Amino acid sequence: GAGVSQSPSNKVTEKGKDVELRCDPISGHTALYWYRQRLGQGLEFLIYFQGNSAPDKSGLPSDRFSAERTGESVSTLTIQRTQQEDSAVYLCASSLGTGFFEQFFGPGTRLTVL
Amino acid sequence: AQSVAQPEDQVNVAEGNPLTVKCTYSVSGNPYLFWYVQYPNRGLQFLLKYITGDNLVKGSYGFEAEFNKSQTSFHLKKPSALVSDSALYFCAHNFNKFYFGSGTKLNVKP
Repeated sequence: GAGVSQSPSNKVTEKGKDVELRCDPISGHTALYWYRQRLGQGLEFLIYFQGNSAPDKSGLPSDRFSAERTGESVSTLTIQRTQQEDSAVYLCASSLGTGFFEQFFGPGTRLTVL
Repeated sequence: AQSVAQPEDQVNVAEGNPLTVKCTYSVSGNPYLFWYVQYPNRGLQFLLKYITGDNLVKGSYGFEAEFNKSQTSFHLKKPSALVSDSALYFCAHNFNKFYFGSGTKLNVKP
């Protein structure tokens, strides 16, 4: 398919463990975003990659959160020493760039921290 | 500061009635405005966008939005609501990155 894909779709982990979430953007999309969404709530911006520019990490809630992107392809979001409050759906989106380009969202990864 | 605001957490409307979901923006430069919909347990889907030109923008599923520069608004509308329109709606704009509103839950009752 040509859409944004995320894996795993569901992740259950124990408090204190590290998790890695993966996002495969649409080919050719230079911009990639990570968001967190708690149940029934809005989107919480986490991090933004645009081409070769330094990522905008202003939304990362703590130093336990980090993300990387390889060129203009796959991105991984890592949460270290997970806490119960990290439980949420993590959404990835990509777009052709800034301005008038819309974002395309992946289906999300539902993270549950026990 | 770049922002969009959705003043209503929830909107209730009867099926068959017109619906409006409100959005106002605060943007320097050209406003590129978007609406997204999130159905229960689903990802976000793009509905429509305003770039320039006609103030009335038509999108998916019979939705449209009216750009009003003087009121700095971009309200989402549909002439006749369906129960299946019940979802969470997000307004957004894209300046140097995307900014989303807090979302409005639309409930359409039979």
